[in-house]
Amino acid sequence: DAKTTQPTSMDCAEGRAANLPCNHSTISGNEYVYWYRQIHSQGPQYIIHGLKNNETNEMASLIITEDRKSSTLILPHATLRDTAVYYCIVRVQGGTYKYIFGTGTRLKVLA
Amino acid sequence: DTGVSQNPRHKITKRGQNVTFRCDPISEHNRLYWYRQTLGQGPEFLTYFQNEAQLEKSRLLSDRFSAERPKGSFSTLEIQRTEQGDSAMYLCASSLREYTGELFFGEGSRLTVL
Repeated sequence: DAKTTQPTSMDCAEGRAANLPCNHSTISGNEYVYWYRQIHSQGPQYIIHGLKNNETNEMASLIITEDRKSSTLILPHATLRDTAVYYCIVRVQGGTYKYIFGTGTRLKVLA
Repeated sequence: DTGVSQNPRHKITKRGQNVTFRCDPISEHNRLYWYRQTLGQGPEFLTYFQNEAQLEKSRLLSDRFSAERPKGSFSTLEIQRTEQGDSAMYLCASSLREYTGELFFGEGSRLTVL
């Protein structure tokens, strides 16, 4: 599975869009990009995933660059409850489906 | 609440004692995972079950660690002769094979070894 690079921490004002970047320059053609988040003292929570097209669901949007070497998770209107560690993971669809987590980005939403 | 239940939520033990954690996955999920997480780090993969078969084990899983999933339902993770370095959050997750691979995590079992 390809390695990802994320900023260690970010701040965002409440009500504004939070844009969390992720670099995955060694991604292979059959590897998907997944995002999870972990709120303090809870298990990680799935947010969204994609292969090459941009994706949107009720939680967030995922923008993947055309060369697939990077992506951005967008929380359109961040709230205080979005304060969490956000993990960007790339993995092959299939097999054990295990995830290799990095250290993620600690997002702090400020009132 | 994701539907994945872990017990106990907290365990304090003395070095050298054995501890066992239990995970009850979402009932129709045939895949089950154990992860370990220490402070400031992301979760580290420990082991994976498909139904009752343990198909993958991380090198992190020393011979003091054993995991089982009898009958492909709940799973247990046992740590024998605990060491202070075993202090961590132990996370269980489950998923459906035919689905996107999304993992549903429990809230974890926090182990403190004194």
